[in-house]
Amino acid sequence: GAGVSQSPSNKVTEKGKDVELRCDPISGHTALYWYRQSLGQGLEFLIYFQGNSAPDKSGLPSDRFSAERTGGSVSTLTIQRTQQEDSAVYLCASSLLGQGGFSPLHFGNGTRLTVT
Amino acid sequence: GDSVTQMEGPVTLSEEAFLTINCTYTATGYPSLFWYVQYPGEGLQLLLKATKADDKGSNKGFEATYRKETTSFHLEKGSVQVSDSAVYFCALYSSASKIIFGSGTRLSIRP
Repeated sequence: GAGVSQSPSNKVTEKGKDVELRCDPISGHTALYWYRQSLGQGLEFLIYFQGNSAPDKSGLPSDRFSAERTGGSVSTLTIQRTQQEDSAVYLCASSLLGQGGFSPLHFGNGTRLTVT
Repeated sequence: GDSVTQMEGPVTLSEEAFLTINCTYTATGYPSLFWYVQYPGEGLQLLLKATKADDKGSNKGFEATYRKETTSFHLEKGSVQVSDSAVYFCALYSSASKIIFGSGTRLSIRP
């Protein structure tokens, strides 16, 4: 079946512009995560959605970053006034259940963001 | 807060060598532990997991044992293949309901 889909796959933007990154999780998955993978770095947690609960935004690096999840499905990560240090691969993952960690994460292929 | 520390790479081995990638964690409570793998040009995927102390996760010849006393979850394989070349991430599921990843270890296997 269809996996996690992210768009665009690549995005080049000028410093100071806003960008929107989209994630379509696997149908029926209640948990959705956003991570950031910078060159030579590990995965940095950004935000977590679980069902109708308030999202865990504790990983967002600044107030320029925000995310929403509409209808418990599609999610959009927005970065306002992009900076060069925002350049990274942004990964979305979903899982069937958020609690207990028993359901593995299914990752999309990511959006590679380059801020010039 | 909860965290995962894994050995830095890159790790380069010859085919059929024994592999160990170290991973230790800090967490409140009793986290579930995972190894994820990212093959070249592919997305991350779950390799194996263990949900309680002394559990051994295994898949594709890889094994890792949840050691509560040493807070470790080291990844091992007895005989690596060129196709095992990838980046390996240790991860834990924390009490805050999110999955925290280590920094990743790049593994390269020479024929």
